[in-house]
Amino acid sequence: EPEVTQTPSHQVTQMGQEVILRCVPISNHLYFYWYRQILGQKVEFLVSFYNNEISEKSEIFDDQFSVERPDGSNFTLKIRSTKLEDSAMYFCASKLNTEAFFGQGTRLTVV
Amino acid sequence: AQSVTQLDSQVPVFEEAPVELRCNYSSSVSVYLFWYVQYPNQGLQLLLKYLSGSTLVKGINGFEAEFNKSQTSFHLRKPSVHISDTAEYFCAVSSPFFGNEKLTFGTGTRLTIIP
Repeated sequence: EPEVTQTPSHQVTQMGQEVILRCVPISNHLYFYWYRQILGQKVEFLVSFYNNEISEKSEIFDDQFSVERPDGSNFTLKIRSTKLEDSAMYFCASKLNTEAFFGQGTRLTVV
Repeated sequence: AQSVTQLDSQVPVFEEAPVELRCNYSSSVSVYLFWYVQYPNQGLQLLLKYLSGSTLVKGINGFEAEFNKSQTSFHLRKPSVHISDTAEYFCAVSSPFFGNEKLTFGTGTRLTIIP
């Protein structure tokens, strides 16, 4: 069964450093998303991506965040200068029509 | 704007007992409704979804949910739970009008099965 793959599974980074979280969505899907889940809190929407551009972003997704789909298969989330409060589980999701499929997540810890 | 309320943050249930996890939503437009399950240290897996039609939807692992438009609810039920059902359960809503609509999640309900 096709699945969404995320790497790495865990990432520890120092405050102020840049991180790139990587995702390989399901190949024929059209819509791509990043969500995050701070420990003990609900899953929050960050950004959606369609037709090679951002279609919607949340208030969380400020200038420190960016997304790319550089080669038609990978979908990346970059955080330019990480803050302690960026520590969370980051989920990538992709969708063809109504059902979003989620990856296993990347646990980002900023120290 | 849409929102989802899951009133029960934790639900302990004895093995083989029935369970109901409550979900209420708020939306000014029609909605799609979903239940996702998150097993420990794993991602989110779709249990079931309501798009249209029959208000009773059946999902994987013996779960079902009923859409009640007048009460704006989408409660999840299982007649007999198993130890393996221990997980976090998230109710989510999206709008059907645009293909790229995001999911809005509730705060989750942690289901603990007591042997």
